[in-house]
Amino acid sequence: KNEVEQSPQNLTAQEGEFITINCSYSVGISALHWLQQHPGGGIVSLFMLSSGKKKHGRLIATINIQEKHSSLHITASHPRDSAVYICAVSSGSRLTFGEGTQLTVNP
Amino acid sequence: AAGVIQSPRHLIKEKRETATLKCYPIPRHDTVYWYQQGPGQDPQFLISFYEKMQSDKGSIPDRFSAQQFSDYHSELNMSSLELGDSALYFCASSLIGQANTDTQYFGPGTRLTVL
Repeated sequence: KNEVEQSPQNLTAQEGEFITINCSYSVGISALHWLQQHPGGGIVSLFMLSSGKKKHGRLIATINIQEKHSSLHITASHPRDSAVYICAVSSGSRLTFGEGTQLTVNP
Repeated sequence: AAGVIQSPRHLIKEKRETATLKCYPIPRHDTVYWYQQGPGQDPQFLISFYEKMQSDKGSIPDRFSAQQFSDYHSELNMSSLELGDSALYFCASSLIGQANTDTQYFGPGTRLTVL
């Protein structure tokens, strides 16, 4: 069992839909990160969370420390949101990554 | 704003050759991390440096070595390259605060192909 598990692995949505990606982890963490990786490989850090909820534009990230669970929500999805979304947890300095969720938003 | 710079962006090597990957962190960031992402795989932590000292070590092969220099840039040296070393190598940088965990900013990656 991976230390960080994401669901779903693949997600296809229509433009405008509300999207949720889930992440569960089994280890003690100091923070949880949501990352975005576009085709071609570049990784962008979206959020770092240690509690509660953060919002940036159409993106919202929440974390429940007791349940060891986090969600990434995208409101009013757009084709440019198509990417791999990766949940990663930090314990100390290193990140441990989930396997990612491939999101495709169709126009 | 300045981002993390990695060079080269693409590198092709033969088996048993050596390769050096470079990472230039965001100015004033004191910590550098190296990750390896194989084809279809999630990134794996290799090694990190804080203030020019190795701070953590992950699944880095003995054939690889790395260091952080006085200007905070870091180099990952890879020797006796194997086909399985073909991967995307990411560098990330952060500024470690009192909480010892800060957002890591990723570079664009170096795609290494070993033939």
